[in-house]
Amino acid sequence: AQSVTQLGSHVSVSEGALVLLRCNYSSSVPPYLFWYVQYPNQGLQLLLKYTSAATLVKGINGFEAEFKKSETSFHLTKPSAHMSDAAEYFCAVSDEGGSEKLVFGKGTKLTVNP
Amino acid sequence: SQTIHQWPATLVQPVGSPLSLECTVEGTSNPNLYWYRQAAGRGLQLLFYSVGIGQISSEVPQNLSASRPQDRQFILSSKKLLLSDSGFYLCAWRGGSRGRAGWFFGPGTRLTVL
Repeated sequence: AQSVTQLGSHVSVSEGALVLLRCNYSSSVPPYLFWYVQYPNQGLQLLLKYTSAATLVKGINGFEAEFKKSETSFHLTKPSAHMSDAAEYFCAVSDEGGSEKLVFGKGTKLTVNP
Repeated sequence: SQTIHQWPATLVQPVGSPLSLECTVEGTSNPNLYWYRQAAGRGLQLLFYSVGIGQISSEVPQNLSASRPQDRQFILSSKKLLLSDSGFYLCAWRGGSRGRAGWFFGPGTRLTVL
């Protein structure tokens, strides 16, 4: 069974500082990996995805993530945090075998301090 | 382009009352459809998914049920709500071949059971 672990339920950074949100996955088959962002009382918005192509993927709002098979990781980064980045972020895993399911981590709430 | 709708946006119901939440998708045909619940401190929990009309897979045994009466319509129901049914309910559809494009979420329904 697939699973996702997000290290740190809360991360706090200063405006302009590096954002690093950690995600490790477990999958017995090659994974598809996704990062989503959720603002309060809204649905989830897809930030970026890894689907077996380039290991460094770029997404919306200046975010990027690198797939590292040897570390089973897919950490999300942004060089310079903006106040508008404050939200909850979810890492999720499916697989290229066409799994019907998308499994989520528990989420990381990002706070950006002025 | 594809659009996913959910209604109602918010709902306050007494314990023991029935429930019906509706999700519809536009701009795609024969999509995989999903119901997730987000409860405080419990992350995103997959409740049901459907790969076609009348086909429902249940992930969590509980007093909820789902139906798919039409290709792009997915309904979540309960005959008698429990306090523990409170949460944020999200509908999603799976995009692309085998989910390569990602899962796309609706705006959600906030359910409070009193």
